[in-house]
Amino acid sequence: GENVEQHPSTLSVQEGDSAVIKCTYSDSASNYFPWYKQELGKGPQLIIDIRSNVGEKKDQRIAVTLNKTAKHFSLHITETQPEDSAVYFCAASIETSYDKVIFGPGTSLSVIP
Amino acid sequence: KAGVTQTPRYLIKTRGQQVTLSCSPISGHRSVSWYQQTPGQGLQFLFEYFSETQRNKGNFPGRFSGRQFSNSRSEMNVSTLELGDSALYLCASSAETGLGGYTFGSGTRLTVV
Repeated sequence: GENVEQHPSTLSVQEGDSAVIKCTYSDSASNYFPWYKQELGKGPQLIIDIRSNVGEKKDQRIAVTLNKTAKHFSLHITETQPEDSAVYFCAASIETSYDKVIFGPGTSLSVIP
Repeated sequence: KAGVTQTPRYLIKTRGQQVTLSCSPISGHRSVSWYQQTPGQGLQFLFEYFSETQRNKGNFPGRFSGRQFSNSRSEMNVSTLELGDSALYLCASSAETGLGGYTFGSGTRLTVV
């Protein structure tokens, strides 16, 4: 079955710097890659996603890149702010196959003011 | 538009008891998935329901079960509770299974003593 690895497990950055989180997946059939942000006491929230027919997608300060050949995808957060501090999860699934979504183990991001 | 509602938010149960958790998805969403979240194992897929049918099941023992009603509301049940069942149980809804991202509820924090 699908397996998703995520690195690093913890990340500390100074406010204003960039943060990068990387994930790899095992199932070459996976074609949908969402990213979730989980703040303390809340459920994960979808922040951006990318499909396998696209190599990069941006939304204001966040961007995601996908390398299908290498089976890895990354989340980039620029100009980090204290409110970006949270746990981030990457995930992979096969859209339209009704397959379950597999999550990475998560990255705890701390933005130091 | 109301989000995903999970009740109760917190539960304390004794080993050997059973528990039922409830999830009301976003109006119009027919797919409901359940995940168990623990510090050591991350987000583990339990099962997914679509139009009252279980379409996917994770690798959990038969003590974990669920169902979905005609109004898309879902319940999950854990029988013969064990200490290791202590976790945050998250419900996620989506319009169609595997299409687009999930919207998660805030979860039910279950503590087994």
